[in-house]
Amino acid sequence: KAGVTQTPRYLIKTRGQQVTLSCSPISGHRSVSWYQQTPGQGLQFLFEYFSETQRNKGNFPGRFSGRQFSNSRSEMNVSTLELGDSALYLCASSDGGGNSYNEQFFGPGTRLTVL
Amino acid sequence: AQSVTQLDSHVSVSEGTPVLLRCNYSSSYSPSLFWYVQHPNKGLQLLLKYTSAATLVKGINGFEAEFKKSETSFHLTKPSAHMSDAAEYFCVVSGSARQLTFGSGTQLTVLP
Repeated sequence: KAGVTQTPRYLIKTRGQQVTLSCSPISGHRSVSWYQQTPGQGLQFLFEYFSETQRNKGNFPGRFSGRQFSNSRSEMNVSTLELGDSALYLCASSDGGGNSYNEQFFGPGTRLTVL
Repeated sequence: AQSVTQLDSHVSVSEGTPVLLRCNYSSSYSPSLFWYVQHPNKGLQLLLKYTSAATLVKGINGFEAEFKKSETSFHLTKPSAHMSDAAEYFCVVSGSARQLTFGSGTQLTVLP
């Protein structure tokens, strides 16, 4: 099976712009989670989507949003970019079953730089 | 609520010597615990996971971890370090909400 893919791998934007990142999960996986990784804050959970519905959400402002399509692919959007949004954004997929044991498989990430 | 504390931000070992990366956790629920590794400019790879089946968990590349409920610990060990083990390691807890909570990471350096 192909792994989790994320596009683009690198992005450079300026403050005030918006950006959309894409994630394709492993075939058959219905859950997609997004994480932000920065040197200062480490890895932080953004949100999880399952069957096109946001099932869980971290503590991020409303500028961060996402969606999931019927084929389980997911996008996240960040509006009105700030310098502090510069980070590695990681997507993870799992089969999304009802317990917390489901292993999450991570993509390589999208490196976003905000100038 | 759940949290993870990785007790060392940096660990240096010589090649061929044992590795110990320490992790303590806190969880209101019976937790699932994981160790992930991240090589430079790469995504996260699962090393091993604890799901209450056995307290000693074996993972990939010779790593293992022992779940100790009384000490709320889940330390990662390897008998003999290899140069390719140099990376950042994350201890992770998952509670009832399936949300992963990451530790701050331990950077492992392997000296020749």
